[in-house]
Amino acid sequence: RKEVEQDPGPFNVPEGATVAFNCTYSNSASQSFFWYRQDCRKEPKLLMSVYSSGNEDGRFTAQLNRASQYISLLIRDSKLSDSATYLCVVNPQGGNTPLVFGKGTRLSVIA
Amino acid sequence: ETGVTQSPTHLIKTRGQQVTLRCSSQSGHNTVSWYQQALGQGPQFIFQYYREEENGRGNFPPRFSGLQFPNYSSELNVNALELDDSALYLCASSLTGQGGETQYFGPGTRLLVL
Repeated sequence: RKEVEQDPGPFNVPEGATVAFNCTYSNSASQSFFWYRQDCRKEPKLLMSVYSSGNEDGRFTAQLNRASQYISLLIRDSKLSDSATYLCVVNPQGGNTPLVFGKGTRLSVIA
Repeated sequence: ETGVTQSPTHLIKTRGQQVTLRCSSQSGHNTVSWYQQALGQGPQFIFQYYREEENGRGNFPPRFSGLQFPNYSSELNVNALELDDSALYLCASSLTGQGGETQYFGPGTRLLVL
């Protein structure tokens, strides 16, 4: 089983739609969780950290379910500029230690 | 922008050659991590440098080596290049020791091995 698994997509959604991405991780002792966004031919950029209590940043909501080893990202009112690859990222050891990335989920928001 | 820079931006090499990639970390950061991202894949951890010492290594052969300098900039060296080394090489800058765990990525070096 891969350490971090995501549906690669692509997800093609119209502007204004709500879209959800899911991710599972294999190491139950993992400490920290993130969503990164990567535009085509660019570097990954931190979108948001993910906490058990859930967290929201504008149109973006991230959720962590430790019991199911499951992470989600919800994007509401999709914009054309949301088109990108969304990488689910786990830090098994916590602190400043190596990140483990999923393959990413590609999102295309269509006008 | 993250303040992390990498050079060169693109590179073409042939099998068997050697390559050196460079990374300047964000001001105040003391840790550099290197990742390899093959096409269609997520980044994979190569190794991390903290205070000029290797501080963790992923599943990469010894022909992948690195250095960190006193100013915390870093180099990634790859010897005896293989076709499968073609990828985007990313460095990530972070601060160890003061609760900061966020890794900020540079723009990457795109390496093509022919």
